[in-house]
Amino acid sequence: GESVGLHLPTLSVQEGDNSIINCAYSNSASDYFIWYKQESGKGPQFIIDIRSNMDKRQGQRVTVLLNKTVKHLSLQIAATQPGDSAVYFCAENARGADGLTFGKGTHLIIQP
Amino acid sequence: DTGVSQDPRHKITKRGQNVTFRCDPISEHNRLYWYRQTLGQGPEFLTYFQNEAQLEKSRLLSDRFSAERPKGSFSTLEIQRTEQGDSAMYLCASSSQQGAISDEKLFFGSGTQLSVL
Repeated sequence: GESVGLHLPTLSVQEGDNSIINCAYSNSASDYFIWYKQESGKGPQFIIDIRSNMDKRQGQRVTVLLNKTVKHLSLQIAATQPGDSAVYFCAENARGADGLTFGKGTHLIIQP
Repeated sequence: DTGVSQDPRHKITKRGQNVTFRCDPISEHNRLYWYRQTLGQGPEFLTYFQNEAQLEKSRLLSDRFSAERPKGSFSTLEIQRTEQGDSAMYLCASSSQQGAISDEKLFFGSGTQLSVL
């Protein structure tokens, strides 16, 4: 079936480096994508979103890139800090659907 | 705190018992969602309400599960005759949909962690 998935279950980066978390999706009807950050024992927290009519969107220290040709989504975190340690999920919403479909998550580990 | 609130944060129960969770969404949000999350997995959609109407239910929502939102504000999720496989984090989220304009961004609560012994 169609699903949202992530390439790596764990990503380890040095503090201060940039992080890139990738996500592949297969539902061509998806027109809205969103990244969440989830810390241990907490609910998912919104980071940034993007619609399918865009290929890049920037926030504070974060950038989301969307490549519809290869159905690929990425989250870039600049100057990674210890507080960025968490599990990151991408999620999609297909046109006309209700609610979000989540991938499995990438655990981002920050090395001092 | 004006975020999504869930109660209780943790629930331990014995197999076969009934449990009920409560969710208070962001006050101006008319859509309320329930998700389930197991360890190492992303949240899985269970059901959602627009105001007091339950508009969609996942096939994950067995007959033992029932959700209500009687006044279009808070919601409850009840699990009857709990099984060990029900152990998970139950997440509530809310969003706003006004007319044809839908904000697909969901705001999540901290969840209720259920452990069935």
